[in-house]
Amino acid sequence: EDQVTQSPEALRLQEGESSSLNCSYTVSGLRGLFWYRQDPGKGPEFLFTLYSAGEEKEKERLKATLTKKESFLHITAPKPEDSATYLCAVRGPETSGSRLTFGEGTQLTVNP
Amino acid sequence: EPEVTQTPSHQVTQMGQEVILRCVPISNHLYFYWYRQILGQKVEFLVSFYNNEISEKSEIFDDQFSVERPDGSNFTLKIRSTKLEDSAMYFCASLPKGSYEQYFGPGTRLTVT
Repeated sequence: EDQVTQSPEALRLQEGESSSLNCSYTVSGLRGLFWYRQDPGKGPEFLFTLYSAGEEKEKERLKATLTKKESFLHITAPKPEDSATYLCAVRGPETSGSRLTFGEGTQLTVNP
Repeated sequence: EPEVTQTPSHQVTQMGQEVILRCVPISNHLYFYWYRQILGQKVEFLVSFYNNEISEKSEIFDDQFSVERPDGSNFTLKIRSTKLEDSAMYFCASLPKGSYEQYFGPGTRLTVT
């Protein structure tokens, strides 16, 4: 069974204070690791897909990286508008179909 | 930019009643999904739908649930005889052919009283 664990559960940063969020996964036959942003009362908003160890993707102040066991979402010089819950999800092998398995999320608060 | 839309945004129903949650996936997408998120918990997969049939479902998706694509644009989730524990946010997602990136709608908050 695919498993995803995110840490920390919550993170408070000052504006401009860079940090990283962690996503550890156990999947046999990873077919994609996904990062989503979720604002309160809203649906997950797609950010990145990573497929293989060593891969990196960037978008504005966010950079996602992937190893064989975990992924990091690095936030550089965050702004208050980056405050949200960041979700990590995996797509497992063909035998588990196309479902995404999500972690609990990291709730990020960036104070001005 | 095309988006997945869902209606209603909030549905309140009494225990034992039937509800239908509606979704309009992105127009050229071929795979459709329902997920739910109980307050404070993780997003959980319910069911996937492709080529007018269920392609996979989770253990949550029991006989109480059904899905349908009644026309070329809508995708619905029906919950028969709702229970208190069905209270959650329900998200529809869609996926184009040849991609792994699922796009989610804004959700329907279902409250069962």
